[in-house]
Amino acid sequence: QVQLVQSGAEVKKPGSSVKVSCKASGGTFNNYAINWVRQAPGQGLEWVGVIIPIFHTANYSQKLQGRLTMNADESTSTAYMELSSLRSEDTAVYFCARARFWSGSGTYDRRGFDPWGQGTLVTVSS
Amino acid sequence: EIVLTQSPGTLSLSPGERATLSCRASQRVSSSYLAWYQQKPGQAPRLLIYAASNRATGIPDRFSGSGSGTDFTLTISRLEPEDFAVYYCQQYDRSPPALSFGGGTKVEIK
Repeated sequence: QVQLVQSGAEVKKPGSSVKVSCKASGGTFNNYAINWVRQAPGQGLEWVGVIIPIFHTANYSQKLQGRLTMNADESTSTAYMELSSLRSEDTAVYFCARARFWSGSGTYDRRGFDPWGQGTLVTVSS
Repeated sequence: EIVLTQSPGTLSLSPGERATLSCRASQRVSSSYLAWYQQKPGQAPRLLIYAASNRATGIPDRFSGSGSGTDFTLTISRLEPEDFAVYYCQQYDRSPPALSFGGGTKVEIK
């Protein structure tokens, strides 16, 4: 059974950058899209962006466009999310989640996002 | 962007009772790409229902999903102690990247 294992908690200063990793343990990224979702303390889920490793393409939330970079290393089945120019409002738990993706049609499978990583707490504080 | 509105915000019920959670979309959503997730404190969301009415692997049959168009429902037929949690609906486009989550419904013990 595939698990997504994320890197550990980070504490960053405003204006700095953070890079979070998400490794597929017991599986690959072939034919999957990796979505990133964040959750501020006590708040709901907010989509951050998606990377499709087989196409080497990424799409980002408009809110975070310009500060976000996503990439993936297929050889190690690891996806990365880097957020720059950090602000206090970026403090959140960041989750990765895998979704089956049909490369031939460029479409998602209908079977939802599963599994999810355990989450990485990013705290931005001076 | 499609906005998903979940109601109620909080549902106070006792174990054994039936829970009915609503998710309304600001425009028509494909049932194939409507999912429900459960989240407990300190944990990642867990997929419950995909394609509006299909239970994910290992999900008990007391969980069921229904609906189409703009109105979707998650029903828990008889609440077990482990079901008290926050539930989110999610819609996504057939092709990336458009995706949104509802604001969540907290099911709490009365």
